[in-house]
Amino acid sequence: GAGVSQSPSNKVTEKGKDVELRCDPISGHTALYWYRQSLGQGLEFLIYFQGNSAPDKSGLPSDRFSAERTGGSVSTLTIQRTQQEDSAVYLCASSFGNPPDTQYFGPGTRLTVL
Amino acid sequence: AQSVTQPDIHITVSEGASLELRCNYSYGATPYLFWYVQSPGQGLQLLLKYFSGDTLVQGIKGFEAEFKRSQSSFNLRKPSVHWSDAAEYFCAGSPGGGADGLTFGKGTHLIIQP
Repeated sequence: GAGVSQSPSNKVTEKGKDVELRCDPISGHTALYWYRQSLGQGLEFLIYFQGNSAPDKSGLPSDRFSAERTGGSVSTLTIQRTQQEDSAVYLCASSFGNPPDTQYFGPGTRLTVL
Repeated sequence: AQSVTQPDIHITVSEGASLELRCNYSYGATPYLFWYVQSPGQGLQLLLKYFSGDTLVQGIKGFEAEFKRSQSSFNLRKPSVHWSDAAEYFCAGSPGGGADGLTFGKGTHLIIQP
């Protein structure tokens, strides 16, 4: 079956612009996670959804970052007023169950802020 | 604080030789532990996981890992590496229950010499 998909695969934007990154989890997976991967910081957890609610937003680095999930499926990560330090690969993962089990990752969106 | 440490940034192994990648964790209780592999430009692929029970776990591609509580370690092993094993390897943990973002180590870059 289909895995986790993310779009776009690459995004180049100018400093100060807003960007939206999309994640389609594996069908039937109720849990969804966002991570950021950068050279300096490695892999960092950003936010976790169970269904449409986000019980854990502890990893969001600033209030410029927000995420939502609708219909218990697709999720959008929004970064407002992008900064150069936001340049990274943003990875999405999904998992089944409550509490969820193993996380399966998508290919990521590479964000470059000029 | 919860943490996962991979002491080796780079490891070089000859093709056909055995491999051991180190991972140490720091959690209050026995965490869920995972090993993921990332090939260039790819997402993270799960190799194996440990939740409880048998401390020697088998994974895909001939990998195994052993959970050692006394050493707070979860080292990844393979008896004979192939050139296709060259990749970045990440150890990750979560406190348990699954409803948590993963904490990743910094990764170990595996180089295979012919």
